[in-house]
Amino acid sequence: DTVLTQSPGTLSLSPGERATLSCRASQSVSSTYLAWYQQKPGQAPRLLIYGASSRATGIPDRFSGSGSGTDFTLTISSLEPEDFAVYFCQQYGSSPYTFGQGTKLELK
Amino acid sequence: EVQLLESGGGLVQPGGSLRLSCAVSGFSFSSYAMNWVRQGPGKGLEWVSSISGIGGSTYYADSVKGRFTISRDNSKNMVFLQMNNLRGEDTAVYYCAKGPRIAASGNWFDPWGQGTLVTVSS
Repeated sequence: DTVLTQSPGTLSLSPGERATLSCRASQSVSSTYLAWYQQKPGQAPRLLIYGASSRATGIPDRFSGSGSGTDFTLTISSLEPEDFAVYFCQQYGSSPYTFGQGTKLELK
Repeated sequence: EVQLLESGGGLVQPGGSLRLSCAVSGFSFSSYAMNWVRQGPGKGLEWVSSISGIGGSTYYADSVKGRFTISRDNSKNMVFLQMNNLRGEDTAVYYCAKGPRIAASGNWFDPWGQGTLVTVSS
């Protein structure tokens, strides 16, 4: 199974700052089959990024994804108050389709 | 607007069974794979199962293989998860989620339903 390790576990930042979240895979992710999700308390996850760098419909352009192979990054260029949430990465290149353990982005 | 609404969760004893349903609207249902993903209390996300648009291909996580069965009724725009021989570690919120294509493999999940809680306890 492909294990995804996200870092940091918690990221404390202020609105307007830049957030950089990391997702490292235990083996190469096929064809950049890597997605990012945002989850707020009591809500279902929401797709942000697929294919490592393609924004989902309706996602603001302050969210961007990059990376390939085993190292992937989600960047939020300038944090808005509504961006404070938990973020998960997911690989869907090989079954079982695994998720990272999450990074909590909290208000500093 | 795409909508997914899960139902069927509840409290069940270890060894028991439960059938989850997900009612879907807003898109051509049979053209897309459907998936189940669960989230244990205070835990991360775990992919459970996927089914192709026509229903001919199914995939399962090892943790549920042989106990859970995914199916769909394209005439009713519904997807199901039959869960047998339930264990404490199956306690979670179960989400259904739409795939981006008809094939069940290689999918991200978008959108997700609001989830239904399954609690396995005596």
